[in-house]
Amino acid sequence: EADIYQTPRYLVIGTGKKITLECSQTMGHDKMYWYQQDPGMELHLIHYSYGVNSTEKGDLSSESTVSRIRTEHFPLTLESARPSHTSQYLCASSETTVSNEKLFFGSGTQLSVL
Amino acid sequence: SQQGEEDPQALSIQEGENATMNCSYKTSINNLQWYRQNSGRGLVHLILIRSNEREKHSGRLRVTLDTSKKSSSLLITASRAADTASYFCAHLIQGAQKLVFGQGTRLTINP
Repeated sequence: EADIYQTPRYLVIGTGKKITLECSQTMGHDKMYWYQQDPGMELHLIHYSYGVNSTEKGDLSSESTVSRIRTEHFPLTLESARPSHTSQYLCASSETTVSNEKLFFGSGTQLSVL
Repeated sequence: SQQGEEDPQALSIQEGENATMNCSYKTSINNLQWYRQNSGRGLVHLILIRSNEREKHSGRLRVTLDTSKKSSSLLITASRAADTASYFCAHLIQGAQKLVFGQGTRLTINP
């Protein structure tokens, strides 16, 4: 069982609200990722980090932001949520060895913006 | 797009039968991985095959890789109802540091 945790598990909020999705891992992994996934669809990388104070935008444009102040913590923030942000958000981490880029995933946050 | 493609999109078989899922990709890769996702949950890593490997086994799972055809297959033998899930392939592009996921195959095992 992976030691990577996401909270909340489900979130229903109104348009315009600011939200932060939490992600923490206890494996000491340097690399962390946020993916967005619509039901039955592929995962899209929206943010990633290779270590403390390192953050990059992913392949899918997103209005969210991330921070990496501590190795174990990689929160994602939406300043003003919109219905188009409704989706599942998955956090993942991996070891630094490129040849062994196995990802460990959290259980996800299902976000619904009304 | 660097996204991989999976085939079929959905597969429904009887318990005890074998399930085969295929994955294709477009670029040179370092490795290819398969993940499983139960409904509404995160993904769980199943198996990783490196670009210099052709076949790999793990329990009831068998993965093949054909780099000349840029394709991989996942075989689950003697399927069980608990194998019902979505299965995703993901590949690590050479020179890149990120995994690219396919669209997934939704597998249903009927008891």
